Amino acid sequence: KQEVTQIPAALSVPEGENLVLNCSFTDSAIYNLQWFRQDPGKGLTSLLLIQSSQREQTSGRLNASLDKSSGRSTLYIAASQPGDSATYLCAAADSNYQLIWGAGTKLIIKP
Amino acid sequence: KAGVTQTPRYLIKTRGQQVTLSCSPISGHRSVSWYQQTPGQGLQFLFEYFSETQRNKGNFPGRFSGRQFSNSRSEMNVSTLELGDSALYLCASSLWASGGSIDTQYFGPGTRLTVL
Repeated sequence: KQEVTQIPAALSVPEGENLVLNCSFTDSAIYNLQWFRQDPGKGLTSLLLIQSSQREQTSGRLNASLDKSSGRSTLYIAASQPGDSATYLCAAADSNYQLIWGAGTKLIIKP
Repeated sequence: KAGVTQTPRYLIKTRGQQVTLSCSPISGHRSVSWYQQTPGQGLQFLFEYFSETQRNKGNFPGRFSGRQFSNSRSEMNVSTLELGDSALYLCASSLWASGGSIDTQYFGPGTRLTVL
């Protein structure tokens, strides 16, 4: 059974810092790995989707990597801004195409 | 293009009642998925509909059901509500494939259900 873990559960950093959020999964037979952000009281916004055959995806200041052999994905945020404050969730699509979710990392960027 | 809309946004019910939540996907999207989000269990997949057919189902009791109409709008129903059903229910739509595994999923703002 696929399990997805995100560490740390919360992170607070000063504005301008580069940071890395971690996501690990127990079953390497994933279809893809996705990163989302959730703002309080709102739904989820898709950030990056990495297919199982890919190693990384980039969008603006965000870069996500995928290492299936080690069961890890990282989300790199460059030059963090207060607007990046949100909860970041990763989700692995299993063989049934269902998304298995991590519990999220709550990120606070201090001005 | 309008995003995914969910109604109502907030709902308060008592134990034993039933509830129906509605989701309107982005125009042209044919796949609609439902998720339950709670502080204790996080996000959990409920079910996914495509062209009015349920394609995938998560591990929830039969009290949770859904349907999809010909215009891709979807409803989910929870019967005999329990306190533990209090949660944020999120709906997501995608263009075609199963549950966002190929296509990006676009989420609505959710319906906050409180069961007293």
